[in-house]
Amino acid sequence: DTAVSQTPKYLVTQMGNDKSIKCEQNLGHDTMYWYKQDSKKFLKIMFSYNNKELIINETVPNRFSPKSPDKAHLNLHINSLELGDSAVYFCASSQADRTGELFFGEGSRLTVL
Amino acid sequence: AQSVTQPDIHITVSEGASLELRCNYSYGATPYLFWYVQSPGQGLQLLLKYFSGDTLVQGIKGFEAEFKRSQSSFNLRKPSVHWSDAAEYFCAVGGNTGKLIFGQGTTLQVKP
Repeated sequence: DTAVSQTPKYLVTQMGNDKSIKCEQNLGHDTMYWYKQDSKKFLKIMFSYNNKELIINETVPNRFSPKSPDKAHLNLHINSLELGDSAVYFCASSQADRTGELFFGEGSRLTVL
Repeated sequence: AQSVTQPDIHITVSEGASLELRCNYSYGATPYLFWYVQSPGQGLQLLLKYFSGDTLVQGIKGFEAEFKRSQSSFNLRKPSVHWSDAAEYFCAVGGNTGKLIFGQGTTLQVKP
């Protein structure tokens, strides 16, 4: 069983479309994250949820909206996609008392044409 | 400002040779330090971490790292590199919020 799973793994879409990426973890962790890795490999945190509550919200455009229906799931919805949104999006999770010890999914590569 | 610098973008070593990847950080509070490895097409995997205590920490796959507060460094080492170690290596710093600041990564290539 994959500990942190993301779907889809690849996503190719046109500018202006709306898309979602789903993430699920079966580790029993309380905290989940979204990180963005750009074409230069820079990884930057976007959001963090602890027990369905938003605790980290970096400077991310309002077009990005995370949703956590329960502590095992954290989805990312992106409206009005732009070329600059092309990146690899990683979901991760951690236990609340082991912050920084992140378990990452395999990533979702988003390409906006 | 909080930041992580990995001075070496790309390193090539021969299989069996020793390895050291450099990491320097800037962080206002007591840092939690991490090394992650990313194989092609995969997510990141934690190699090792430093929270406190012994400044030489051991990790998985035979890796170790040494925290040097005076130099703001957390360099990763391995005495003998295997071909399977070829990957992208990321150093990261964080506090107790779970927010990590990553370096740009070092690509390790291993020659047979």
